[in-house]
Amino acid sequence: SQQGEEDPQALSIQEGENATMNCSYKTSINNLQWYRQNSGRGLVHLILIRSNEREKHSGRLRVTLDTSKKSSSLLITASRAADTASYFCAPMDSSYKLIFGSGTRLLVRP
Amino acid sequence: GAGVSQSPSNKVTEKGKDVELRCDPISGHTALYWYRQSLGQGLEFLIYFQGNSAPDKSGLPSDRFSAERTGGSVSTLTIQRTQQEDSAVYLCASSLQTGLNEKLFFGSGTQLSVL
Repeated sequence: SQQGEEDPQALSIQEGENATMNCSYKTSINNLQWYRQNSGRGLVHLILIRSNEREKHSGRLRVTLDTSKKSSSLLITASRAADTASYFCAPMDSSYKLIFGSGTRLLVRP
Repeated sequence: GAGVSQSPSNKVTEKGKDVELRCDPISGHTALYWYRQSLGQGLEFLIYFQGNSAPDKSGLPSDRFSAERTGGSVSTLTIQRTQQEDSAVYLCASSLQTGLNEKLFFGSGTQLSVL
């Protein structure tokens, strides 16, 4: 399937440190999206990177995409306690479905 | 509306009962998606609609699950003869259309508990 698989499953860091989460997928994609989920309820879109892009920035977020390795990474710089959440990557293929992985649970300690 | 609205926010039912979960997408959004998330797990794709049509029902776990969308707006996910393994958060999302660079807007979900 096109499911994104995040790594690590859980990450605990100190406030102010950077957090890096990785995502791998299996087949060709048109874009890859990252979402954030607080408290196990609705997800919020963070950033979308197209298949012909290699890097994208949004505020403290930096996303990279390597289509040759079928992988992406999400970097959160200068983390804050409020960044504590689960983060999901979601590849999109030509069927226009987003298939989410199990996510990375990020804990930022004050 | 301002966002995707789901109701009820919580539903407790007895095993064997039928339940209906409702999703009201953002006004003007033609694509609507249903996902299921078990405790501590990722999102499991169930079904999506483009307008009133469901091009992909591949994620529905069994024939006890069905969904419809009328008027290109509100969608209802129905689970018949609920089982305990159906307990999960059911999430609905909408997007302006199905397309390569569309992002999804999610509702807050319905927490379903089957006793």
